[in-house]
Amino acid sequence: SQQGEEDPQALSIQEGENATMNCSYKTSINNLQWYRQNSGRGLVHLILIRSNEREKHSGRLRVTLDTSKKSSSLLITASRAADTASYFCATERMNRDDKIIFGKGTRLHILP
Amino acid sequence: DTAVSQTPKYLVTQMGNDKSIKCEQNLGHDTMYWYKQDSKKFLKIMFSYNNKELIINETVPNRFSPKSPDKAHLNLHINSLELGDSAVYFCASSGRDRPNYGYTFGSGTRLTVV
Repeated sequence: SQQGEEDPQALSIQEGENATMNCSYKTSINNLQWYRQNSGRGLVHLILIRSNEREKHSGRLRVTLDTSKKSSSLLITASRAADTASYFCATERMNRDDKIIFGKGTRLHILP
Repeated sequence: DTAVSQTPKYLVTQMGNDKSIKCEQNLGHDTMYWYKQDSKKFLKIMFSYNNKELIINETVPNRFSPKSPDKAHLNLHINSLELGDSAVYFCASSGRDRPNYGYTFGSGTRLTVV
């Protein structure tokens, strides 16, 4: 069953602006991960946040996690054309069944 | 060096045929996975192997049979292909650093059944 739901489904912003994507999930988790998928390519792991963490940074990426609301957000600051891609959140559930469940993704388009 | 490699990258075949997709990882990871991505980009796990042992087998038709000859390889064999099997299939792997670094994905195999 699907665990994560990203919103918006699609987002277009001007280059240089910040992009924010949200993810909601249903069950208790060990961690939440964000992945990027460029068109026609595989998924690339961006950042992982554990259930006991609230915020994490990696370069221009900032991820927050609110376990009480079962939600996470991914912020990309100072967007670039190369950030155009689909972004997926994925959750590793607390029952440790050793798999991650993906949401449907947000398609991000950076306009020149 | 490619960390997780899948072959072939593209596969076009007729209904009813049997085909295989191969996956190899050179990361020393213990666990490997097959995911299916449909036309709406939704990713769903199919199988997971840990040290050659099947640990996850989601609700997948038994026409799909994974095989892991060793922990660096996980192949996917599909019998009697159907139109609905058309999708992109991704292999992935994870190791003991999974709590910090997540999964590593291959570049995918686009399967088209005609």
